Amino acid sequence: QVQLVESGGGVVQPGKSLRLSCATSGFTFSSYGFHWVRQAPGKGLEWVALIWYDGSIKYYADSVKGRFAISRDSSRNTVYLQMSSLRADDTGLYYCARDQETIATSGIDNWGQGTLVTVSS
Amino acid sequence: QSALTQPASVTGSPGQSITISCTGTSSDVGGYNYVSWHQQHPGKAPKVIIYEVSYRPSGVPSRFSGSKSGNTASLTISGLQAEDEADYYCSSRTSANTRVFGTGTRVTVL
Repeated sequence: QVQLVESGGGVVQPGKSLRLSCATSGFTFSSYGFHWVRQAPGKGLEWVALIWYDGSIKYYADSVKGRFAISRDSSRNTVYLQMSSLRADDTGLYYCARDQETIATSGIDNWGQGTLVTVSS
Repeated sequence: QSALTQPASVTGSPGQSITISCTGTSSDVGGYNYVSWHQQHPGKAPKVIIYEVSYRPSGVPSRFSGSKSGNTASLTISGLQAEDEADYYCSSRTSANTRVFGTGTRVTVL
């Protein structure tokens, strides 16, 4: 079955960096686009970034553009989110999600369980 | 990109039907048939229940249905059940090829 397992979350100081990983299994990794979505404590869902099936195209929310970078490694069936210049308002649960399509057009069809990022001094 | 607008809360009794609206613009909801709905129970990860406006993934009960008119999408739950008590979020593709979520709706079953 489809599995998305996030890792890499933790407590980090403002201005520092962190890399999240999303290990996938149960499907052909190279046939799907992926998203990262976050949820601040007690708040709603916020879309963060997406990447096409081949890694050639990436899009970001304005709130993270220039600070976050999404990537993928087909040899490891893993999606990454490199986060830098972290701020307190980046705190939240970060979900990895698979899109139904290669170019991430149709929408999310599977979600991971999330990894918690806390930005605090 | 501003969040899509949803009512903060909707309440219904078991067996009743409720509808949640999701209002955007012609640059997102109105411009594409790529609206999805996601259910989130407390402390759990979201789960997609409707994709591409009106399609249900395998395993999602038929009491969940979706539709769209202009810039507003809607999720209807017919025959409300206790286990439907959760938060619901709509999501849409945008003209910038990004994604946007709705503000979220808390459904309470009396």
